[in-house]
Amino acid sequence: QVQLQESGPGLVKPSQTLSLTCTVSGGSISSGGYYWSWIRQHPGKGLEWIGYISYSGSTYYNPSLKSRLSISIDTSKNKFFLKVTSVTAADTAVYYCARGPGNGDGFDPWGHGTLVTVSS
Amino acid sequence: QSVLTQPPSVSAAPGQRVTISCSGSRSNIGISYVSWYQQLPGTAPKLLIYDNNKRPSGIPDRFSGSKSGTSATLVITGLQTGDEADYYCAAWENNLTALFGGGTKLAVL
Repeated sequence: QVQLQESGPGLVKPSQTLSLTCTVSGGSISSGGYYWSWIRQHPGKGLEWIGYISYSGSTYYNPSLKSRLSISIDTSKNKFFLKVTSVTAADTAVYYCARGPGNGDGFDPWGHGTLVTVSS
Repeated sequence: QSVLTQPPSVSAAPGQRVTISCSGSRSNIGISYVSWYQQLPGTAPKLLIYDNNKRPSGIPDRFSGSKSGTSATLVITGLQTGDEADYYCAAWENNLTALFGGGTKLAVL
């Protein structure tokens, strides 16, 4: 079955760029007509959708974050990526990657999540 | 404050039935499918319901979902202590932007 795993630095300095990778295993990132999403969860808070990308590179971002976001994909490596520029403490969160939407309107499966702390 | 409104908490005894509501508007729940997620403590969310009322493989039929107008409901029957978790609804705003509810903490007393 498809599994996702986030990776990247756990600590980022304010004003710098947060960069995360999601590695997809157990299936091709190019198959099935799925989109691939990033979602974050601030400590002790609810979920916030960041954006998604298709296997062909089409993206859509959360309008509240759009000016600082970039999501890209490398189908040859079965990976997709998140960059958030000019980070502040408000970007401290657990970042999840997930498959979806696609075959049904839901996010499934999810990666385990990675905590990114923004601090000097 | 989330655009999709859920009660902060619900509780019920083992074996009983509980409902969790998710209220939105015409621009989100009114025109899109709703999905539901279970987040056990310290873990990633897991999809319980998609397309309003469909269960992924492996999700027991104790979990069911429905949608009416601009609201959706998750029903859990035969409550178990292992169901203690945070539950989130999700829908799409104008079919473009995903929204999550603020989450509901379920206590099985």
